Amino acid sequence: GAVVSQHPSWVICKSGTSVKIECRSLDFQATTMFWYRQFPKQSLMLMATSNEGSKATYEQGVEKDKFLINHASLTLSTLTVTSAHPEDSSFYICSARVGAGEQFFGPGTRLTVL
Amino acid sequence: AQSVTQPDIHITVSEGASLELRCNYSYGATPYLFWYVQSPGQGLQLLLKYFSGDTLVQGIKGFEAEFKRSQSSFNLRKPSVHWSDAAEYFCAVGHNQGGKLIFGQGTELSVKP
Repeated sequence: GAVVSQHPSWVICKSGTSVKIECRSLDFQATTMFWYRQFPKQSLMLMATSNEGSKATYEQGVEKDKFLINHASLTLSTLTVTSAHPEDSSFYICSARVGAGEQFFGPGTRLTVL
Repeated sequence: AQSVTQPDIHITVSEGASLELRCNYSYGATPYLFWYVQSPGQGLQLLLKYFSGDTLVQGIKGFEAEFKRSQSSFNLRKPSVHWSDAAEYFCAVGHNQGGKLIFGQGTELSVKP
C-alpha cells in the first residue's frame, strides 16, 4: 500500500515549451501533496504544498507563475513548468499524505531542458 | 533557523563493516526525525522515524538510529553493511509526522567488496 507514482519518469523538452508532470496516489486518497526539486548531488528542496481543491502554497523564492500546481482530485496533482529554460532542468519529486500522516514519495521525474 | 546538517558528503565502507551516518539538527520545537534512502534515479524510501519514546529506533533493512537530544543528533547505524546499501541517505526533520520536511544535504554511501 501507499504507492505514489509519477509520470513521466523522464522528459526532454526544448527551451520555451511547457512540461506537465503528474503525481498520483495509487491506493489512497491524498489530502495533501508536496512538490520537491532536487539538483544533482544535492538535497531536496520543498517547492510547494498543495491541498486538494485549494491553491498551492509556495515556498519563498519559488515562482508560482512558472511552476503551476493543480490538485484537482484526491489522487492527482500536477506540476506544470511553464516556458521552461535550461536552468529548470532538475529532478522533481512529489510526495503525498493522508491527513497528518506520513509522506509517501514518488519515484521522481527527470526534466532536461535543451 | 531550522536546519539539518549531515557532515559527511561521501562515505566508503567495506562490505560487512559497520556504518554510522551522522545527522545534526537545529529545530525550535520538538522534532520529528526521519531517515530516508534514495537509490540512483529513484524517489525516497523511509528507513525509520522518531517521534517520541525510546530514543533508539529500529527501521527496515537492519538500520537503527539513536536520538540524542543533548547533542541534537539522530545518527543512523547498521552493524554490517551489504553491497545493496550503496545509495544516498537523507536525514530530515519536521514539525509533525506528515508536515513540511527539512532535509539535510545527504550522504552518499559507497560499499567496497
